[in-house]
This record gives sequence, structure tokens and C-alpha cells, in this order.
Amino acid sequence: KAGVTQTPRYLIKTRGQQVTLSCSPISGHRSVSWYQQTPGQGLQFLFEYFSETQRNKGNFPGRFSGRQFSNSRSEMNVSTLELGDSALYLCASSFGLAGATDTQYFGPGTRLTVL
Amino acid sequence: KQEVTQIPAALSVPEGENLVLNCSFTDSAIYNLQWFRQDPGKGLTSLLLIQSSQREQTSGRLNASLDKSSGRSTLYIAASQPGDSATYLCAALGRGGSYIPTFGRGTSLIVHP
Repeated sequence: KAGVTQTPRYLIKTRGQQVTLSCSPISGHRSVSWYQQTPGQGLQFLFEYFSETQRNKGNFPGRFSGRQFSNSRSEMNVSTLELGDSALYLCASSFGLAGATDTQYFGPGTRLTVL
Repeated sequence: KQEVTQIPAALSVPEGENLVLNCSFTDSAIYNLQWFRQDPGKGLTSLLLIQSSQREQTSGRLNASLDKSSGRSTLYIAASQPGDSATYLCAALGRGGSYIPTFGRGTSLIVHP
């Protein structure tokens, strides 16, 4: 069974640009969560999508948005990039809603560098 | 607001030692607590998930315990091996309608031969 895949793996952008990251969950999984990991703040929850609906959202500005498609694939968009958005962006999938009973499986991440 | 702290931040031990990694959380009203492993430059791998009604979970050489009343969880690694070298993170999943996980900063473990 293929794992969670994220594309691209590495990305370099400049301030003010926007970026879209993609995540393909494990086949059959309906939940996709996104996380940001930085040396300064550690790992922080961005949002979770389940059956194309955003179910939970972390404390991030509106520049961070996402969506989920009918095949459960998800995209995350960051507009008006800032230097502080440089981070490893991780995607995780689970069969049901993340947490309570279902284990999350993480992808390798997308390393975003903002210059 | 939930805060999760992991002690120690870094640990270097010789192969074969038994280890205890600590995780503490400020809000005991959690759904579960999960331990992950992260290898350099890679995503996270789930190790153990303890539901709020459980006291411990075991998988191979790993044992995780949960004491909600004191806001603590420990990850016990028996007979450590060089392949155990990684960063170990714990995450507490909040209640009150919120399924937002709060992660600790992790314990960086090096097991040398």
C-alpha cells in the first residue's frame, strides 16, 4: 500500500509570491491534516479536511488555506509569502477524523524556503 | 491553551541502555496522547497512541504510559539500539470539540554503538 505522498518535495519562492502544496493520502483514507514545522515554533497544526470539509483549524492567518477534493487529495495554499513561512510542511492522512481512534500517517514533507 | 513539554531536549546514550523520555501537558482534558518518531528531514512515524481511558500501550521494545491526573506521559525504550536514534515527539489531542493536536518540541536521541 503506497504511503502519503507530497509534492513538490522542495520549493524556493520569494516574498510576496503564493505557493500551492499537494498531498495524496493513503488509498481509502478520508482525512488529511496539514502541519507546519519550524525550528522556532516546532510542529504546529494548520487544518484538517475530512470528506472535502474543513473540520478543524489551527491558529494561523487567513493567508493559509486549503481544500480537499472528492478523491481525498488535498492542497494547501499560502498567499503573500513571508520569510517566516519558510518551514517543512507536513501532511498526514487517517481513515477517520484524525486523533480519537485513528492513527495518522505522515508524508515526507515539502521543504519551503522563502527568500 | 494546551502546552506540551518534553524533557530532556537531547539525550546521548550507549547501545543497550533502557531509556525514559518524558512528556508533560498542562490541560488534562485530552482525547489521547500519541508518541511519534521523526528521522532527520523526514515525516513522522506514529509509535504508540494511548486513549484517555487507557494507562499504557506497548509495542515491541516500546512502552508508553499515561497519567492524566498529573499531566504526564512517559515513553520507555528497552535495550536501545543505534537504529533508535531519532527525534521523539509527543502530541496531546484536546477535548471540548477540538481535535487539534498540540506537539512537544521533541527529544533528540542518539544511541551510539
